Amino acid sequence: AQSVTQPDIHITVSEGASLELRCNYSYGATPYLFWYVQSPGQGLQLLLKYFSGDTLVQGIKGFEAEFKRSQSSFNLRKPSVHWSDAAEYFCAVQNSGGSNYKLTFGKGTLLTVNP
Amino acid sequence: KAGVTQTPRYLIKTRGQQVTLSCSPISGHRSVSWYQQTPGQGLQFLFEYFSETQRNKGNFPGRFSGRQFSNSRSEMNVSTLELGDSALYLCASSTTGRTDTQYFGPGTRLTVL
Repeated sequence: AQSVTQPDIHITVSEGASLELRCNYSYGATPYLFWYVQSPGQGLQLLLKYFSGDTLVQGIKGFEAEFKRSQSSFNLRKPSVHWSDAAEYFCAVQNSGGSNYKLTFGKGTLLTVNP
Repeated sequence: KAGVTQTPRYLIKTRGQQVTLSCSPISGHRSVSWYQQTPGQGLQFLFEYFSETQRNKGNFPGRFSGRQFSNSRSEMNVSTLELGDSALYLCASSTTGRTDTQYFGPGTRLTVL
């Protein structure tokens, strides 16, 4: 069964600093990979997704992620964090084959941004 | 285009009652998925509907059920509520499900007393 691990439950960074959120997945083949963000009391917003091709994916709000097959990782990065980036971030995996389209999520990483 | 809408946004029920939650997908989307979000278990897949048919189901007891109507709107029902059913229930819609972005609604916050 597929699974996702986000090793960091909570990360605090200063505004303007760089950010990297870690995500490791377990899946037999190359999965489809996603990063979502959730602000308090809100639903999930898609930041970026990887299906195939270029392993460096650009998303919204200045975020990017790199798929590394050898490390089974899909880490999210941003060069300079803004206070409005404070939220919870979820990495997710989806089957790339078969008929099950469900998303399997990691437990999330809560990002706090200090002024 | 209007986003995914969920009603109601908040619900308070007591143990043993049943509840129905509603989800209206983005216009033109035919796939609707439901997820349960709790602090302990995180985000868990409940089920997915496409063209009025349940296509996938997660590992939840039979008390959790759903359906989809011809206009793609979906409802989920939880019978005989338990305290552990307190959660944020999120609905997501996409055009067909595969390689399509799933767009999430704001969720329904269910509290079971």
